[in-house]
Amino acid sequence: QKEVEQNSGPLSVPEGAIASLNCTYSDRGSQSFFWYRQYSGKSPELIMSIYSNGDKEDGRFTAQLNKASQYVSLLIRDSQPSDSATYLCAVNLDTGNQFYFGTGTSLTVIP
Amino acid sequence: NAGVTQTPKFQVLKTGQSMTLQCAQDMNHNSMYWYRQDPGMGLRLIYYSASEGTTDKGEVPNGYNVSRLNKREFSLRLESAAPSQTSVYFCASSEALRLAAFFGQGTRLTVV
Repeated sequence: QKEVEQNSGPLSVPEGAIASLNCTYSDRGSQSFFWYRQYSGKSPELIMSIYSNGDKEDGRFTAQLNKASQYVSLLIRDSQPSDSATYLCAVNLDTGNQFYFGTGTSLTVIP
Repeated sequence: NAGVTQTPKFQVLKTGQSMTLQCAQDMNHNSMYWYRQDPGMGLRLIYYSASEGTTDKGEVPNGYNVSRLNKREFSLRLESAAPSQTSVYFCASSEALRLAAFFGQGTRLTVV
């Protein structure tokens, strides 16, 4: 089992819809969770950090963390074509100091 | 405010050649990282430096060495490049371990 798993997609949603991206992780003791957006040929860009159970909202983005079920999700409301990118989940596992990244979910927002 | 700056942006090496990738951050961050990104493999940590004067191996350190030159700079050296090291390399920094990391623009390296 990989430390951090994401569905590779592609995920397609119409403009204005809610996009839901999911990530599961293997280490129950993990404390830090991050979502990054990466456009093709560009570097990862931090969208959200979340450290405690529950929801965290920032503009059109909501991160949801459930440590008991070992998953973290990202909701994008009112999806725009400019949201089309690969979304990377990163988890700082309790077993060490390094972040593990999922392989990313490709999102396409259709105008 | 440039953030994290990597040089060069592109490089082609012949098998067996050596090179150093440079990284500098101007955010006064303590921790710095080197990742490689390969299709289908995601981002994998090569080495990291928790603070100035310390370095530690990540997930895929073989074939690489690093130097934390000072608080701002963290370099990655390939002593004898191999085709398996063809990848996109990203440097990143964070205020401390376990906090969010910010990435440089990447170096696309091809080893022929």
